[in-house]
Amino acid sequence: RKEVEQDPGPFNVPEGATVAFNCTYSNSASQSFFWYRQDCRKEPKLLMSVYSSGNEDGRFTAQLNRASQYISLLIRDSKLSDSATYLCVVYTGTASKLTFGTGTRLQVTL
Amino acid sequence: GAVVSQHPSWVICKSGTSVKIECRSLDFQATTMFWYRQFPKQSLMLMATSNEGSKATYEQGVEKDKFLINHASLTLSTLTVTSAHPEDSSFYICSASGGLGTNEKLFFGSGTQLSVL
Repeated sequence: RKEVEQDPGPFNVPEGATVAFNCTYSNSASQSFFWYRQDCRKEPKLLMSVYSSGNEDGRFTAQLNRASQYISLLIRDSKLSDSATYLCVVYTGTASKLTFGTGTRLQVTL
Repeated sequence: GAVVSQHPSWVICKSGTSVKIECRSLDFQATTMFWYRQFPKQSLMLMATSNEGSKATYEQGVEKDKFLINHASLTLSTLTVTSAHPEDSSFYICSASGGLGTNEKLFFGSGTQLSVL
């Protein structure tokens, strides 16, 4: 089983739609969680951290469920510029490293 | 914010040659740098952790004699792919931490696309 699993997609949605991505992780000792955005052949860029209480940043909302080892990202009012691959990233302090999911590809269309 | 510069962005080389990739932290001192490799449609895979002034720590399955890492200063780490072969063709990305409070906050270089003919 992969340490971090995501549905690779692609998710094709019209502009203005709401879309949600899910991610599961296998290591219950994982401490910190992030969503990164990666454009084709570019470096990943931090989108937002994920907190246990859930957090929101503009049109983006992240949720964490430690009991189910599950993370989600909700994007409201999708824009064409949101088209990218969204990476679920987990930090495990004991190993002091980040583990990346394979990413979920989002394509927003007119 | 913190900036990490990586170059070259693209490398095309013949099989058997060695390729050096540089990663620099421009406005902070990076005690630790990380090297990742990403094949098409796959996740970033950590190759090694580079600590300034000491030997790099390689992940399981990564050949340390093939992927030479040097972290001679707090602002520069290099990855040398020795005797590159077509199967080494990939997207290589570095990231750096240090001076930011926690190791979990990383800043990435722009990546190097390596194509070995």
